[in-house]
Amino acid sequence: GQQVMQIPQYQHVQEGEDFTTYCNSSTTLSNIQWYKQRPGGHPVFLIQLVKSGEVKKQKRLTFQFGEAKKNSSLHITATQTTDVGTYFCAGGTSYGKLTFGQGTILTVHP
Amino acid sequence: NAGVTQTPKFRVLKTGQSMTLLCAQDMNHEYMYWYRQDPGMGLRLIHYSVGEGTTAKGEVPDGYNVSRLKKQNFLLGLESAAPSQTSVYFCASSYSVGGTDTQYFGPGTRLTVL
Repeated sequence: GQQVMQIPQYQHVQEGEDFTTYCNSSTTLSNIQWYKQRPGGHPVFLIQLVKSGEVKKQKRLTFQFGEAKKNSSLHITATQTTDVGTYFCAGGTSYGKLTFGQGTILTVHP
Repeated sequence: NAGVTQTPKFRVLKTGQSMTLLCAQDMNHEYMYWYRQDPGMGLRLIHYSVGEGTTAKGEVPDGYNVSRLKKQNFLLGLESAAPSQTSVYFCASSYSVGGTDTQYFGPGTRLTVL
């Protein structure tokens, strides 16, 4: 079945440093979605990428979808303490399946 | 709009007991999902529903049953709880098919089975 692998599992950074999490799918995706879960909270949708090679930005967050539509990345520039949480990618297929990666837990030290 | 709500928020069960988790959404979404979240495992799909009266198995359905008698509600049942079912359970909903549409999550139910 479809698998979505996400690395790293944990990332500790000092405030102001950059952060990147990577997502790889075993199959070609129709889209990739990214979610953020604050400690003790629930996943909240951040963005969806659909096109091959697509790049989208949300303030300090940059999302990329690979040319082959099998990988994606989320990059945060100059992390802040408000960025702490778990970031999940989720690979979607046109027939309705959304498979979540294991998530990357980000800790930001002030 | 309340979005997606879940009851209860916390529950402790003894092995062999049964319980039902309730999920309700007020966004008129057709699709609803139940996930469990365990450390290092991400979110794993238990069961899902593509509309009122329909349900289907997800990735980890064993030990769980579901029902969708009303469009706005999706119930998850544990008939005989086991310690392996200790987890955080999230309900989610989406307007259209989940692989292409945003999923909206409830606040979660933290279940401990002793």
